[in-house]
Amino acid sequence: AQTVTQSQPEMSVQEAETVTLSCTYDTSENNYYLFWYKQPPSRQMILVIRQEAYKQQNATENRFSVNFQKAAKSFSLKISDSQLGDTAMYFCALTLNRDDKIIFGKGTRLHILP
Amino acid sequence: NAGVTQTPKFRILKIGQSMTLQCTQDMNHNYMYWYRQDPGMGLKLIYYSVGAGITDKGEVPNGYNVSRSTTEDFPLRLELAAPSQTSVYFCASSFYGTENQPQHFGDGTRLSIL
Repeated sequence: AQTVTQSQPEMSVQEAETVTLSCTYDTSENNYYLFWYKQPPSRQMILVIRQEAYKQQNATENRFSVNFQKAAKSFSLKISDSQLGDTAMYFCALTLNRDDKIIFGKGTRLHILP
Repeated sequence: NAGVTQTPKFRILKIGQSMTLQCTQDMNHNYMYWYRQDPGMGLKLIYYSVGAGITDKGEVPNGYNVSRSTTEDFPLRLELAAPSQTSVYFCASSFYGTENQPQHFGDGTRLSIL
């Protein structure tokens, strides 16, 4: 069975600082995809960044980047120059190439302080 | 509780056919969502609803319609199916204002248009 673990329930950083959200996962599969989603209050899941497991290069998307350590099964999200609008719940998720299910972590509530 | 239930789990349609993907939840959630997930990609929001009688377009609404006549049900209608609609469809729901967990997701419907 696949699992996704986010060990930081809540974090706060000052605006313009850099913050890293942790995520570890477990799967015996070789083909899978990892995602970070942002969920503002009472809003839909918004895809922040995705990583293909077969790619060694870490994905980046503007201020967002990941540190993908496949052997360690770690997938952390780094937010640079944090902005007030980054305040949200962040969920790490795993999808197998062959499966329809999405496995989410329990989330990290991120507060960006002015 | 059953949570979020989607039917059918699999379906093959011919181009031009129509069908309805069913979604029901028994958690008395106000918010419901339809997403599609293409292979290896993240979720994209099709439509969402903040309560019975209220629906709004998401990121990719073209070719779909929804209705929300009851709190429990949020069916997604495909009219004139096209190959580009081949995807896995996820229904999700959440409490109003919930920030502590990801949305509750159904198990998905894998739809192929041939």
